[in-house]
Amino acid sequence: GAGVSQSPRYKVAKRGQDVALRCDPISGHVSLFWYQQALGQGPEFLTYFQNEAQLDKSGLPSDRFFAERPEGSVSTLKIQRTQQEDSAVYLCASSAQPRITGELFFGEGSRLTVL
Amino acid sequence: AQSVTQLDSQVPVFEEAPVELRCNYSSSVSVYLFWYVQYPNQGLQLLLKYLSGSTLVKGINGFEAEFNKSQTSFHLRKPSVHISDTAEYFCAVIAFKAAGNKLTFGGGTRVLVKP
Repeated sequence: GAGVSQSPRYKVAKRGQDVALRCDPISGHVSLFWYQQALGQGPEFLTYFQNEAQLDKSGLPSDRFFAERPEGSVSTLKIQRTQQEDSAVYLCASSAQPRITGELFFGEGSRLTVL
Repeated sequence: AQSVTQLDSQVPVFEEAPVELRCNYSSSVSVYLFWYVQYPNQGLQLLLKYLSGSTLVKGINGFEAEFNKSQTSFHLRKPSVHISDTAEYFCAVIAFKAAGNKLTFGGGTRVLVKP
């Protein structure tokens, strides 16, 4: 596609529910990143994929967070048993480079509100 | 560990006035530096980058930034702002180290251009 597409744009979940957030990167982009942006803060790194391989998941805040990219294109970030502190905008970014260069194309984000 | 500090959370400025957004980073190794901009209801987009070479880098929309290694700074400037420059600006750094590289963002500076 022309840009990075994320869905849903907005999600309201009750505490304890599971949520899944989808990212469709720019076609052919090898690298894919997930970031979490809390209100009034800068984006915080969650995880990084090179094709289907998850090379870095050091930023995932707990084992309730899980990300996958099974075919090396679309990625899903899953949050189990959501908590109020999970409320944030989840940003997906992609890059044509197979290594981390910092030149990322971002989607508009998925805003998660946990009640 | 690397970190990025944006000293001003908000900067109000009148149209056609100059603006400077301050960014300092901490790292003991070589770095790449970036400024990203987030317009209202849009994803982050790359404004400019410093990888190597000239310490003065020019980006889109008339912005420029200067890398100062001794002061570990990468301040962003524009000599004359427009209403359309109203946005949030994020400084980011990659510090290269054997353990892996991440793009780390500062907390952001919200620029409000007034007529």
